[in-house]
Amino acid sequence: QSALTQPPSASGSPGQSVTISCTGTSSDVGGYNRVSWYQQYPGKAPKLLIYEVSKRPSGVPDRFSGSKSGNTASLTVSGLQAEDEADYYCHSYAGSSYVFGTGTKVTVL
Amino acid sequence: EVQLVESGGGLVQPGGSLRLSCEASGFTFSSHWMSWVRQAPGKGLEWVANIKQDESEKNYVASVKGRFTISRDNAKKSLYLQMNSLRVEDTAKYYCAREGVPYGRDVWGQGTTVTVSS
Repeated sequence: QSALTQPPSASGSPGQSVTISCTGTSSDVGGYNRVSWYQQYPGKAPKLLIYEVSKRPSGVPDRFSGSKSGNTASLTVSGLQAEDEADYYCHSYAGSSYVFGTGTKVTVL
Repeated sequence: EVQLVESGGGLVQPGGSLRLSCEASGFTFSSHWMSWVRQAPGKGLEWVANIKQDESEKNYVASVKGRFTISRDNAKKSLYLQMNSLRVEDTAKYYCAREGVPYGRDVWGQGTTVTVSS
């Protein structure tokens, strides 16, 4: 099972929006509505932002939103804030297994 | 407070074994699928294995099948990962995580570090 493909980096100024793509195959992202997204700060454990493509756990700001089209899922961070500077990973069910994305470092300019 | 605490990491030679533990508190451990996820130094996240509430289903990433075994003890609120035939490429920080929402890992431990080196 190969890692899902994410852009290595993304950036935006405070208040702007940034969208991170996550491309897989019909065996993972495209085959199930079971994509989740995680935020990770250096040296810290990941934090769940989105599950089942577009659902937000309680406590996650609505600035974070998820979507999917075909084999590609996306995470959009609206109204960028300095604290959003972190690594972001997508994660998909792949039929009795799971696969993470390659990760995207988001920089707030 | 909902919490997961891993332990058991350390330095081991290639071919050696190690058993990781993860102790849960603050929630009904027996009600949730649980997973192990690892992260090699400076690299991304990799899902390793998961286990159903009653141990009736266990799944592994291909690279650890036959070498690693996931298990749990619901009475002790604990998750385990027995790692045998360790390789240099198994070097990573290992996290345990709860699947508290459908197909999403909503609670994570702080991780325990495994270093495989001669």
